[in-house]
Amino acid sequence: AQKITQTQPGMFVQEKEAVTLDCTYDTSDQSYGLFWYKQPSSGEMIFLIYQGSYDEQNATEGRYSLNFQKARKSANLVISASQLGDSAMYFCAMREPYNQGGKLIFGQGTELSVKP
Amino acid sequence: DAGITQSPRYKITETGRQVTLMCHQTWSHSYMFWYRQDLGHGLRLIYYSAAADITDKGEVPDGYVVSRSKTENFPLTLESATRSQTSVYFCASAVRGSGQETQYFGPGTRLLVL
Repeated sequence: AQKITQTQPGMFVQEKEAVTLDCTYDTSDQSYGLFWYKQPSSGEMIFLIYQGSYDEQNATEGRYSLNFQKARKSANLVISASQLGDSAMYFCAMREPYNQGGKLIFGQGTELSVKP
Repeated sequence: DAGITQSPRYKITETGRQVTLMCHQTWSHSYMFWYRQDLGHGLRLIYYSAAADITDKGEVPDGYVVSRSKTENFPLTLESATRSQTSVYFCASAVRGSGQETQYFGPGTRLLVL
């Protein structure tokens, strides 16, 4: 069965520094997708970045990059130059193949706090 | 407005009542999903739909009913609400094969069952 593991319940980072949020996954499928979402205290789920299992290059979106190591089954999120507004809960998720429904399986989340 | 909307945003109901949560998306995405978010459990899938008139159960479907007669709407009904269904409910939609794939989430509905 597919599983997503986020081992860091909480993280602290100094403003303007980089931070890495860990995510490992387990699947026997060859086709899958990996996502990171941000959930601020207001509650909405904000899409940050996506990596397809066949993508050879790591995905980047502005200050966000996804460190995809397929052999190790890890998909860590790197946030460069942290800002106070980055304080939020961050969820890693894996999309099942679409022929299995394409649904997302979420990790338990990492709460990031950015210190001024 | 373009995007994915949910209504109501907040709902208080009583045990045993029927409640329907609405979800509407303007992108014509084929896939739609309902998740619930609870402390200690993260987000869990209730039901999903690959297209109009096609629905399937997720991880926690008991006590819920869905329908999808139109591509843009995916209502979720709690047939007889229970206190354990107090939660935050998120609707999401997705398009397949666009290259830059994602699931877009609605703003959520906070449901309290007394």
